Amino acid sequence: SQQGEEDPQALSIQEGENATMNCSYKTSINNLQWYRQNSGRGLVHLILIRSNEREKHSGRLRVTLDTSKKSSSLLITASRAADTASYFCATGGQGAQKLVFGQGTRLTINP
Amino acid sequence: SQTIHQWPATLVQPVGSPLSLECTVEGTSNPNLYWYRQAAGRGLQLLFYSVGIGQISSEVPQNLSASRPQDRQFILSSKKLLLSDSGFYLCAGRPGTSSNEQFFGPGTRLTVL
Repeated sequence: SQQGEEDPQALSIQEGENATMNCSYKTSINNLQWYRQNSGRGLVHLILIRSNEREKHSGRLRVTLDTSKKSSSLLITASRAADTASYFCATGGQGAQKLVFGQGTRLTINP
Repeated sequence: SQTIHQWPATLVQPVGSPLSLECTVEGTSNPNLYWYRQAAGRGLQLLFYSVGIGQISSEVPQNLSASRPQDRQFILSSKKLLLSDSGFYLCAGRPGTSSNEQFFGPGTRLTVL
């Protein structure tokens, strides 16, 4: 069954603006991760946030986690054309060997 | 760091033909390995994962099988391909229990005609 659901499915903004993507999940988690996928390529890990963390930063990325609402958000600040890609959240349970991926948000940055 | 190799990058096969996709891992020992399939514009569906040599867990019933003959080798196979097997196949690895992050290969786009 699908665990992570991203919102919106597609997002198009102008270069320099901030992009926010959301992810909701259904069951208890140990960690939540965000990945990026350029068209026709493999996924690249961006950031991991643990269930006992509320916010994490990495460069222009900011991730928040609200375990009470079972949701997370990924903020990309000062977007660039090169940020155009699909972004996926993935959840891992305690002791779980596997991740469950959402359907992704397709982000387009217009120059 | 861990590197995942996959080949071929693209593959066109007729219905009913066999399939063998290979994935190899560099830079880590005893990784967890995963095969995913991705339909166009969609998320990843986990097909198989392996925590060690000869250990395979199947996530969905299907026309495919997986094997792990060596620590750093993971193979996805089919005896007879179906049209519905078309998709983008991704191999991923996780370097043991100390990390939750997965590293992905470049993927294989399979078209069954």
